[in-house]
Amino acid sequence: QKEVEQNSGPLSVPEGAIASLNCTYSDRGSQSFFWYRQYSGKSPELIMFIYSNGDKEDGRFTAQLNKASQYVSLLIRDSQPSDSATYLCAVLKPNAGGTSYGKLTFGQGTILTVHP
Amino acid sequence: DVKVTQSSRYLVKRTGEKVFLECVQDMDHENMFWYRQDPGLGLRLIYFSYDVKMKEKGDIPEGYSVSREKKERFSLILESASTNQTSMYLCASSLALYQSSYNSPLHFGNGTRLTVT
Repeated sequence: QKEVEQNSGPLSVPEGAIASLNCTYSDRGSQSFFWYRQYSGKSPELIMFIYSNGDKEDGRFTAQLNKASQYVSLLIRDSQPSDSATYLCAVLKPNAGGTSYGKLTFGQGTILTVHP
Repeated sequence: DVKVTQSSRYLVKRTGEKVFLECVQDMDHENMFWYRQDPGLGLRLIYFSYDVKMKEKGDIPEGYSVSREKKERFSLILESASTNQTSMYLCASSLALYQSSYNSPLHFGNGTRLTVT
């Protein structure tokens, strides 16, 4: 089982719809969860992070975390063609002793296409 | 704004060559990382460093080594390049915080697309 798993897609949604991106992880000790967006030919950029169970909203983006189910999701409301990109889920877990040094494990990414 | 600069955008090397990929960050970050990105596999961590002259293996270190002589610079070395090392290589940095870095995101460079023939 992969440590971090995402549907590779592509996920296609019409403009204005809600895009729902999902991610599961295998290690219950995982602490924090990140969503990165990567446009074609560009490097990833952070759009959301979450570390408590529940929802976290930032503009049109909502991250949802359920640690019991080992599941994290990203909702994009009012999707725009400019949201078309690959979305990478990343998980942070501590090394033995509690320090983490910021080491993230990434999923393979979900390709999102928003069509006009 | 944090800037992470990778010295080459595109690189073509021959099998067996020793290859150096250079990365420099300008924000005094403690942590630096080298990832490779391949279609269907996502980003995989090769090596990381949390201090000068310190390094730790990531998930796929075989065939690679690293050097961090100065805080701002982190080099990835392919000792003897092979065709299966053809990939996009991404360098990243982050500010280290004690115990966790949930509010210290990774800042990525623009990547180096390496082709080994």
